[in-house]
Amino acid sequence: EVQVLESGGGLVQVGGSLRLSCAASGFTFSSYGMSWVRQAPGKGLEWVSGINNSGGTTRYADSVKGRFTISRDNSKNTLYLQMNSLRAEDTAVYYCAKDLLTTWGSATDYWGQGTLVTVSS
Amino acid sequence: DIVMTQSPDSLAVSLGERATINCKSSQSLLYSSNNKNYLAWYQQKPGQPPKLLIYWASTRESGVPDRFSGSGSGTDFTLTISSLQAEDVAVYYCQRYYGMPPFTFGPGTKVDIK
Repeated sequence: EVQVLESGGGLVQVGGSLRLSCAASGFTFSSYGMSWVRQAPGKGLEWVSGINNSGGTTRYADSVKGRFTISRDNSKNTLYLQMNSLRAEDTAVYYCAKDLLTTWGSATDYWGQGTLVTVSS
Repeated sequence: DIVMTQSPDSLAVSLGERATINCKSSQSLLYSSNNKNYLAWYQQKPGQPPKLLIYWASTRESGVPDRFSGSGSGTDFTLTISSLQAEDVAVYYCQRYYGMPPFTFGPGTKVDIK
């Protein structure tokens, strides 16, 4: 059974840092791209970042570029999101999601339950 | 960046009736080399993560009831629920995954029972 499980969320002050992790199981992690998608309280979905299967290609939304870094450790079946210089507007539930296909540019077919990041001043 | 819009913002449909949600992209999502539209639909129920319903604009994900269907090409797409069930109450999002990120989501359409 495919599972992705996020962790690492919590309360952090403006300007602080946090690292999110996503533990994956039930599929060949190294074959699939992965994404982070966030949802601010009561709002819609915002694509944050994506990484290809090898980790050699990464992309970011303009809202997080230069502050967030996506990475993966295929030996540990784990995806990461390093978040620096956090702002109040980064407050959201952060979802880890698996790409449907093994090629870059794909819908996402499995999502975790999300981890809440709250940035307070 | 490519902008995704959805209409309506919300709709209320009687049980057993048809629900139709529209999604429009500011640029074509049709990739000429494979003739595929890089458009997905997701369903999100309260307190749950999104669930993939449709990809390639019209391919139903495994396990999704056949009352859900997707259509459209290029810049205009539609999600249709042919006979609304109580468990279909949710917010529905379209997402483009063509070309360079960001892979933008539409703002969502809330579906309720009338």
